[in-house]
Amino acid sequence: GAGVSQSPSNKVTEKGKDVELRCDPISGHTALYWYRQSLGQGLEFLIYFQGNSAPDKSGLPSDRFSAERTGGSVSTLTIQRTQQEDSAVYLCASSTTSVSGANVLTFGAGSRLTVL
Amino acid sequence: AQSVTQLGSHVSVSEGALVLLRCNYSSSVPPYLFWYVQYPNQGLQLLLKYTSAATLVKGINGFEAEFKKSETSFHLTKPSAHMSDAAEYFCAASGSARQLTFGSGTQLTVLP
Repeated sequence: GAGVSQSPSNKVTEKGKDVELRCDPISGHTALYWYRQSLGQGLEFLIYFQGNSAPDKSGLPSDRFSAERTGGSVSTLTIQRTQQEDSAVYLCASSTTSVSGANVLTFGAGSRLTVL
Repeated sequence: AQSVTQLGSHVSVSEGALVLLRCNYSSSVPPYLFWYVQYPNQGLQLLLKYTSAATLVKGINGFEAEFKKSETSFHLTKPSAHMSDAAEYFCAASGSARQLTFGSGTQLTVLP
């Protein structure tokens, strides 16, 4: 597609429920990132996929968070047993082959998660 | 590990006035540096990036930033603010392919 698509744009859930957030990156982009943006804070790195390499999961805050990327394209971020502190905007970004730190990330509009 | 500090979570300027948003990075090796802008309910968009080709980097919408190694700074400026510049601005640094480290953001308000 023309840009990075994320769904849903808004999700309200009850504490303890599981949620799935989807990211459809730009076609041909091999690198995919998930970030979390909490109110009044910067962007917190969650996870990074590059081609067929093992993902960098170093930013996932707990084992309730997981992500997968199927076929090197669409990615799903799953949050199990959601907590109120998980409320945030979850941003997905993609870029062309990331062999250096100079790559420009293209961001989606984000999925706003509210946990009641 | 990289860290990025943005001084001032909120900055207000009058329309037509100079915009100065401050960013300092922490690294023993000059990283790649970026400024992104986020308009309400939108994703982040790249304003400009520094990749060591030139210390003064020009971006979109009249913004520019100067890399100063001695000050570990990468401040964003625009000579004359426009109402449409109101947004949140993020400075980011990357020293590897794996991730971008972002500052906490500066909300720019432009007063008429």
